[in-house]
Amino acid sequence: DTGVSQNPRHKITKRGQNVTFRCDPISEHNRLYWYRQTLGQGPEFLTYFQNEAQLEKSRLLSDRFSAERPKGSFSTLEIQRTEQGDSAMYLCASSRAGLGDNTEAFFGQGTRLTVV
Amino acid sequence: AQRVTQPEKLLSVFKGAPVELKCNYSYSGSPELFWYVQYSRQRLQLLLRHISRESIKGFTADLNKGETSFHLKKPFAQEEDSAMYYCALSVYNNNDMRFGAGTRLTVKP
Repeated sequence: DTGVSQNPRHKITKRGQNVTFRCDPISEHNRLYWYRQTLGQGPEFLTYFQNEAQLEKSRLLSDRFSAERPKGSFSTLEIQRTEQGDSAMYLCASSRAGLGDNTEAFFGQGTRLTVV
Repeated sequence: AQRVTQPEKLLSVFKGAPVELKCNYSYSGSPELFWYVQYSRQRLQLLLRHISRESIKGFTADLNKGETSFHLKKPFAQEEDSAMYYCALSVYNNNDMRFGAGTRLTVKP
């Protein structure tokens, strides 16, 4: 499968624990996005990278959230001191160019986080 | 502010019937609009984009700037069209793509 890959697919954690998710984008894509999706809602933008630079962050991304893309390839999203409200599907997407250029975003399968 | 509204959470039609999934947006400039689809147990994927003016799997969508709408239509629905459909909006030179809440389409035999 040469699409966007996310690991793990599911994560159950206790409140207060830290979790880290990984996203491997399509190799030639220099843009990488993180979205969060809760039940009954569409994906909500969290942040995006162009190569290794994090260029934009949503207000949804509290200081407990941090994302990195150290070599401009895979990315990690870490949530510290998880809260029950963090329970959601975390989606990663990649694209060749900016989404505002009518570019298609390719999505991964997502990581479903459950905080108990 | 950019916003996308999909007024119907659920839509059910019979096979062979026409289907229209509604999408309204709010944005003062020139938007770029998309429809994404998610079939059962599959990832979210692009169905069509307004600038392409294409028909994919029999679906079409016309951007109506006067009504700020981008409704998705298909004249004869098929059972394999059953899926979750999301309307999305992005703005030139902006990477914040906004999605609607989605409409679950069920096509009954």
